[in-house]
Amino acid sequence: GEQVEQLPSILRVQEGSSASINCTYENSASNYFPWYKQEPGENPKLIIDIRSNMERKQTQGLIVLLDKKAKRFSLHITDTQPGDSAMYFCAAWDNYAQGLTFGLGTRVSVFP
Amino acid sequence: GALVYQYPRRTICKSGTSMRMECQAVGFQATSVAWYRQSPQKTFELIALSTVNSAIKYEQNFTQEKFPISHPNLSFSSMTVLNAYLEDRGLYLCGARVGGAEQFFGPGTRLTVL
Repeated sequence: GEQVEQLPSILRVQEGSSASINCTYENSASNYFPWYKQEPGENPKLIIDIRSNMERKQTQGLIVLLDKKAKRFSLHITDTQPGDSAMYFCAAWDNYAQGLTFGLGTRVSVFP
Repeated sequence: GALVYQYPRRTICKSGTSMRMECQAVGFQATSVAWYRQSPQKTFELIALSTVNSAIKYEQNFTQEKFPISHPNLSFSSMTVLNAYLEDRGLYLCGARVGGAEQFFGPGTRLTVL
């Protein structure tokens, strides 16, 4: 199967600064890495994803990086705003289970 | 666009009773449906993967006897939580796939067990 480690578990950042979340995975065959944002009481929403044929992807203030050699991928939120406060989950596609393995989540809090 | 509906959105059941939840793909035919559970303050665990005309594959700690799944066609899947207890509470998500790895998640069914 697959195992995903996500750090940090809690992240407090000042408005306007950047926030970075790092995840590592174990199975080199994993080829799809989505990131989800979950507001309190809501279901997770896909915010950005990256496939193994890419090293970097950027959209609307979000950057994801993938280092296949190190089996590491990361999310960078640039110019954080109060609306970015939420739980963020990384995930890796488990080819064996044919499902996603999620990290434990990062609680991001953006303060003024 | 691709949409996934789940019903009910919230449900409450008494300890020891069962409840059934449904997942419907609209606008596309899902080649497989994966069911996940998010226990309170926890991450998402894969319960099982259901592919039409194939055996349902359950992950460790989850069994067919506890979480029977029905997947009769490419747009509908249902899962029942049998004999629910406190540890079964949480948000149950279905993720529908169309060939590739990307999953379209439904809004989830939030289960409260009294």
